[in-house]
Amino acid sequence: EVQLVESGGGLVQPGGSLRLSCAASGFTFSSYEMNWVRQAPGKGLEWVSYISSSGSTIYYADSVKGRFTISRDNAKNSLYLQMNSLRAEDTAVYYCARALPAAHPFPYYFDYWGQGTLVTVSS
Amino acid sequence: SSELTQDPAVSVALGQTVRITCQGDSLRSYYASWYQQKPGQAPVLVIYGKNNRPSGIPDRFSGSSSGNTASLTITGAQAEDEADYYCNSRDSSGNSVVFGGGTKLTVL
Repeated sequence: EVQLVESGGGLVQPGGSLRLSCAASGFTFSSYEMNWVRQAPGKGLEWVSYISSSGSTIYYADSVKGRFTISRDNAKNSLYLQMNSLRAEDTAVYYCARALPAAHPFPYYFDYWGQGTLVTVSS
Repeated sequence: SSELTQDPAVSVALGQTVRITCQGDSLRSYYASWYQQKPGQAPVLVIYGKNNRPSGIPDRFSGSSSGNTASLTITGAQAEDEADYYCNSRDSSGNSVVFGGGTKLTVL
């Protein structure tokens, strides 16, 4: 059974940092492209970042570029999101999501999602 | 602001057919995928590509596309289909992913 379990969320002050983790199981993690998607309270979904299966290709949403860093450790079946210079508008539930393999690079069909971890940025 | 536009809310009578639409220029180049999200739960992929359903998704869910508009159709809506529905695709530049603002479906 495919499982994605996020952790690392919590309350942080504006300007602070946080590192999210996503533990994957039930599939060959190193073969799949992964993403982070967030959802502010009562709002819609917002894509945050993508990383290829090897980690060699990375994309970010403009709203987090220069502040967030996505990475992965295929030996540990884990995905990470380092978040720096946090702002109030970064407050959201953060989901890790697996991309369904496709013939083209950077697939955007997300077939499995974790349950999310809440990040609250407030003083 | 989102590059994919969805109606904020749609309603359907139990057992009837409803179409939820998603508009955006990027849909001329990329298929949309559709996600169902119930309160307090993670999104679930219901349609992807031209018209593909993941395993476990009922066949009353179908997708279509024409020009800059993608549609999710639920034929014979059930009470359990009441949820928020989101579309997504690549953005026009191809270097990021965009989601629509979501449609709240109410089954009457």
